[in-house]
Amino acid sequence: SQQGEEDPQALSIQEGENATMNCSYKTSINNLQWYRQNSGRGLVHLILIRSNEREKHSGRLRVTLDTSKKSSSLLITASRAADTASYFCATVQGAQKLVFGQGTRLTINP
Amino acid sequence: EAQVTQNPRYLITVTGKKLTVTCSQNMNHEYMSWYRQDPGLGLRQIYYSMNVEVTDKGDVPEGYKVSRKEKRNFPLILESPSPNQTSLYFCASSWDRHEQYFGPGTRLTVT
Repeated sequence: SQQGEEDPQALSIQEGENATMNCSYKTSINNLQWYRQNSGRGLVHLILIRSNEREKHSGRLRVTLDTSKKSSSLLITASRAADTASYFCATVQGAQKLVFGQGTRLTINP
Repeated sequence: EAQVTQNPRYLITVTGKKLTVTCSQNMNHEYMSWYRQDPGLGLRQIYYSMNVEVTDKGDVPEGYKVSRKEKRNFPLILESPSPNQTSLYFCASSWDRHEQYFGPGTRLTVT
């Protein structure tokens, strides 16, 4: 399986609710990144959390990292219709390769 | 405006007909990379480049070539495309391998 696996694969919630997505990885990391992809478009970098950080915030986004469990979570608070997208975690494997998980498809229902 | 551009955005071609997908960035980034995205398989890295004349294989390099003669350009070459290369392709760039900026994508169909 791939380095960086998101869970759940798909998530559907009502506008205004919070959305939580999880990412697990297998090898040690220096940092972990989250990206968003609107349907058929290029990915957009959201946030990077370093291995010595446990939590990081950016606007309505909160990312946590638990290196002991090799997992990370992305929380989107007060979701909006515009948050509908796929979300990917990514880690660096080896010296230079960036490896993405398969993503969580988030749907925000009005 | 800082951006990564790809051309063409859509391409339908036939098996065996050589093609090139261009990628250009205007941010003076050293790191550039090509990915393909397929349903159920996520994004997989094809090739990456740390700088001019420095390229290396990603996870799925078979059937592809790249070159990095200039810092801003990183074309993807399919010498003899096959139907299993039908996919959505993304070029990306960054200062290092983190915080990558992605192009809009090229949807390739090989018949």
